[in-house]
Amino acid sequence: AQSVTQPDIHITVSEGASLELRCNYSYGATPYLFWYVQSPGQGLQLLLKYFSGDTLVQGIKGFEAEFKRSQSSFNLRKPSVHWSDAAEYFCAVVSGGGADGLTFGKGTHLIIQP
Amino acid sequence: EAEVAQSPRYKITEKSQAVAFWCDPISGHATLYWYRQILGQGPELLVQFQDESVVDDSQLPKDRFSAERLKGVDSTLKIQPAELGDSAMYLCASSADRGTDTQYFGPGTRLTVL
Repeated sequence: AQSVTQPDIHITVSEGASLELRCNYSYGATPYLFWYVQSPGQGLQLLLKYFSGDTLVQGIKGFEAEFKRSQSSFNLRKPSVHWSDAAEYFCAVVSGGGADGLTFGKGTHLIIQP
Repeated sequence: EAEVAQSPRYKITEKSQAVAFWCDPISGHATLYWYRQILGQGPELLVQFQDESVVDDSQLPKDRFSAERLKGVDSTLKIQPAELGDSAMYLCASSADRGTDTQYFGPGTRLTVL
C-alpha cells in the first residue's frame, strides 16, 4: 500500500530565510504527488502538484517542489518565508487502485520566527 | 471563487448520540470525498462518490458510519452512535472528475464527542 512520510513534525524558520519541507513516498507506480497547506480554522489549500514531465514544479505563494524518483522524495521549498506562511503542510499521493482518494502524510508544522 | 460548503462548523455531542454533517460541493463537481482528520494527523479518506455512486468506502466504519449523495450533488455523513474516538475534523472535498483532478476542500466540521 502507498504511504507518505513527512519526517519533520515541527520546523522553525526565521522570517526571510529559506525553507525546505521533506516528503518521502512509497508507491509502486508513477506517483501523483501533492502539497497542501492548512491554516488554523481553514480547509486544505493546494500549493502544487506533480503528475509527470518537468520534475521541478512551481506552485502558488512562491512555493516549488522537486520530484526525485531515485530518492522517492517530493520536497517543498521556498526561497524566503513570510510570517503568513506559518501553517501545517501536508504531502499527499493519490491512493490508486481504482480509487482517487489522497493518502496524506502526518504533516509538518511550520513556525516562523520574527 | 466557488467553494465547498460544510455545516455545521462545530458540533458537540454526547457518546451514543447520532450526528450528521452536510457538504455542498463546488457546482458541477462530479466527485465528492469525505475525509477524517484526527488532531495532529493528516486526513484519511472515509468515502468517495462519483455522482451518486460510491466508488470507495473501504475505510468507512460501516457499523456506525453512513454516507449518501442521493441526487449526486450535496452529501450527508452520519455517525450513529457516536463514540469518544470519533472526535475529529470531518473534511469534505470535491473535484471536477475522478483521477488526478484537483480536490478542493471545505472548511470542515469539528466534532467533539463527550
